[in-house]
Amino acid sequence: AQKITQTQPGMFVQEKEAVTLDCTYDTSDQSYGLFWYKQPSSGEMIFLIYQGSYDEQNATEGRYSLNFQKARKSANLVISASQLGDSAMYFCAMREEGTGFQKLVFGTGTRLLVSP
Amino acid sequence: EAQVTQNPRYLITVTGKKLTVTCSQNMNHEYMSWYRQDPGLGLRQIYYSMNVEVTDKGDVPEGYKVSRKEKRNFPLILESPSPNQTSLYFCASSLEGFPNPSDTQYFGPGTRLTVL
Repeated sequence: AQKITQTQPGMFVQEKEAVTLDCTYDTSDQSYGLFWYKQPSSGEMIFLIYQGSYDEQNATEGRYSLNFQKARKSANLVISASQLGDSAMYFCAMREEGTGFQKLVFGTGTRLLVSP
Repeated sequence: EAQVTQNPRYLITVTGKKLTVTCSQNMNHEYMSWYRQDPGLGLRQIYYSMNVEVTDKGDVPEGYKVSRKEKRNFPLILESPSPNQTSLYFCASSLEGFPNPSDTQYFGPGTRLTVL
């Protein structure tokens, strides 16, 4: 089974609208960490936001927030007020206690296109 | 400036010709890791290192070697490259070498390798 599943290969959104990028994960560990990274067309990987499995509140970083639903094993990224510069690939990733938190496992990514 | 650097950024080579991709970080990070990115597969971990002289296999280690003789450097070695190793390679580092789910990995700019 896939550890990280991103079911949306591509998403379109208009500028200034909010968009949700889906991520579900599979783990039997109690302690784990979830990450979102952005990869613009230039290729670099940019860290956006982190959510720990024991965190009671959803993580937020500026226009990024993480809708963490532990029972459903989902960690969706919400981008509010989309900007043209948000057009990029977005990857969800996880580190688990079972691997000593030493391995970071990525999903296949979602390509977001923001139109004017 | 705190950063992870990789060299070369682009490389075209032929099957069987040994090559090394260098990775260096100036943040005094304990943990370093190599990933490859292929279309539709996301990023997959090749090798990681928790500290000097400590390395371990990720999910796709076949055909690769690494070494960690100094804290700042973590070269990736392809002893006999094959066309199926054509990929985009990323080096990453994070602060801590001991288990911590929130330890964020910061990525280098990537190395695009083509093996003919």
